[in-house]
Amino acid sequence: DADVTQTPRNRITKTGKRIMLECSQTKGHDRMYWYRQDPGLGLRLIYYSFDVKDINKGEISDGYSVSRQAQAKFSLSLESAIPNQTALYFCATSAQTEAHTGELFFGEGSRLTVL
Amino acid sequence: GEDVEQSLFLSVREGDSSVINCTYTDSSSTYLYWYKQEPGAGLQLLTYIFSNMDMKQDQRLTVLLNKKDKHLSLRIADTQTGDSAIYFCAVNTGGFKTIFGAGTRLFVKA
Repeated sequence: DADVTQTPRNRITKTGKRIMLECSQTKGHDRMYWYRQDPGLGLRLIYYSFDVKDINKGEISDGYSVSRQAQAKFSLSLESAIPNQTALYFCATSAQTEAHTGELFFGEGSRLTVL
Repeated sequence: GEDVEQSLFLSVREGDSSVINCTYTDSSSTYLYWYKQEPGAGLQLLTYIFSNMDMKQDQRLTVLLNKKDKHLSLRIADTQTGDSAIYFCAVNTGGFKTIFGAGTRLFVKA
């Protein structure tokens, strides 16, 4: 089983709908992140969380919200989806103790299409 | 703000060497990474180099860092069809924030 699991893997929805993408991890990491991948733009950080009580905005947080339900769970919500939020979304984790590398561990991605 | 740039495509023949280049703007970058993304999968760390190093070799992979020019490269020797993927250059200034390039799609022709 994957260490970082995202659900759903694929979702097609309509403009204005509320969407939640979920992420759970078994790595025991404190830090969790949501990234968005667009062709030609690489990965951009939406939100990050260092622990259950710590939530921070990334560079493109507008139109998104997050919830850290437990150390192992971090969900991303689009309250009212719009077509330019069509993208591939990645959850990632990192361990504070691995600061010497800063390695990120990624889920397999959730492809969201907003019509 | 910080920026990481890399070319979007590279095509090589099987058995040749591949060189993927990256430039970055933040001179305080402490850790520099190469991540690999295979089709339908998330990114996985391929290798990394600390900013006080000029070169790192790991089997078929060679990473070169030129801090003066803020240039990072990844060389894959004896490139195989299984190396076909998107390769992301990324930099970290020692905190939480990792900045990614747009990714270079490597095509390996048999």
